Amino acid sequence: AQKITQTQPGMFVQEKEAVTLDCTYDTSDPSYGLFWYKQPSSGEMIFLIYQGSYDQQNATEGRYSLNFQKARKSANLVISASQLGDSAMYFCAMRGTLSGANSKLTFGKGITLSVRP
Amino acid sequence: DTAVSQTPKYLVTQMGNDKSIKCEQNLGHDTMYWYKQDSKKFLKIMFSYNNKELIINETVPNRFSPKSPDKAHLNLHINSLELGDSAVYFCASSQAPAGGTDTQYFGPGTRLTVL
Repeated sequence: AQKITQTQPGMFVQEKEAVTLDCTYDTSDPSYGLFWYKQPSSGEMIFLIYQGSYDQQNATEGRYSLNFQKARKSANLVISASQLGDSAMYFCAMRGTLSGANSKLTFGKGITLSVRP
Repeated sequence: DTAVSQTPKYLVTQMGNDKSIKCEQNLGHDTMYWYKQDSKKFLKIMFSYNNKELIINETVPNRFSPKSPDKAHLNLHINSLELGDSAVYFCASSQAPAGGTDTQYFGPGTRLTVL
């Protein structure tokens, strides 16, 4: 079975500052993918960034980067230069590469981020 | 230009009714999914289809029946709606079937309210 843990309470950050959203995971799969999604108040689920478990480098996408520490089973999302539009709920998710129970995308419970002007 | 679209966006209905939610993707993906997001924002997969074949079927009441007429469409039909079915239902698609780590792209969601 696979599990995603997001335990931070609501997060607050000042506009233009950086913020880290924590995610830890557990899986029995030797190979897996980690994802972050953003859900603004309008409700849609927006894909942000992906990290493969065998990728040598941490993933980056514009202002988003993923601080992947495989030994610690953590995949924290770093948002640099926060903007007011970053206020949203953020979900960490994972999916195994083998078929079977772990092949589905498993989500954490999400973290609410509020950016202050 | 919408990649994954769902209709309707909002659905308000009485207990006991039957309703359907439609989903279409124009990304050329082979795999489509239905997720349920409850009132606490927890997202859980319900079904997954690959090339019109059911590949994931979570523990979902059999009142929920997905139908995939072709690989670009995955509809969700719900019979005898109950209060507990109130939630946001998301459709998603990805290129690879079970076992891939490719990205899933989500539709805008359908907010179902059962009165």
